[in-house]
Amino acid sequence: EVQLVESGGGLVQPGRSLKLSCAASGFTFSNYYMAWVRQAPKKGLEWVATISTSGSRTYYPDSVKGRFTISRDNAKSSLYLQMNSLKSEDTATYYCARQMYTTDPFAYWGQGTLVTVSS
Amino acid sequence: DTVLTQSPALAVSPGERVSISCRASEGVNSYMHWYQQKPGQQPKLLIYKASNLASGVPARFSGSGSGTDFTLTIDPVEADDTATYFCQQSWNDPRTFGGGTKLELK
Repeated sequence: EVQLVESGGGLVQPGRSLKLSCAASGFTFSNYYMAWVRQAPKKGLEWVATISTSGSRTYYPDSVKGRFTISRDNAKSSLYLQMNSLKSEDTATYYCARQMYTTDPFAYWGQGTLVTVSS
Repeated sequence: DTVLTQSPALAVSPGERVSISCRASEGVNSYMHWYQQKPGQQPKLLIYKASNLASGVPARFSGSGSGTDFTLTIDPVEADDTATYFCQQSWNDPRTFGGGTKLELK
């Protein structure tokens, strides 16, 4: 059974940093692209980042490019999201999701971890 | 960015057929996917690449369309289908989602 478990969320002040983690199990992690998708409270979904199987290629929307960094450790079956210079508009539940490739859907999702950016 | 437009809400009776639309501001080929999200839960993939049923999803769900106009159909609707349904395109950068259609049962 595919399992994705996010951690690392919490309350952080504007301008500070936070690192999210996602522990994957139930599949061969290194064979899949992985992504982060966020959802602001009572709002829609926004794609945040995608990383290739080896980690050599990363993709971001302009809203987070230069502030967020996605990375992975295939030996540990883990995905990460380093978030710097956080803004109030980054407040959201962050989901870890599995893809086959960048043009594929987000086939499996974790339960999410809530990040609140507030002073 | 490719804007995906969905109607905000629909109300149907159990046993009826419902169609949920998603219109893209530019062509996305067939790279449109549909998700179901129930309150307090993560999204779940229902349909991928416009018309392909995801694993484990009941055959009551189906998808159609190409280019800019896509439809998710549930037939017949069951009480458990109360949820918000999102479309998402993976053809243009950045990947974008529709605003969601909240399906309520009468």
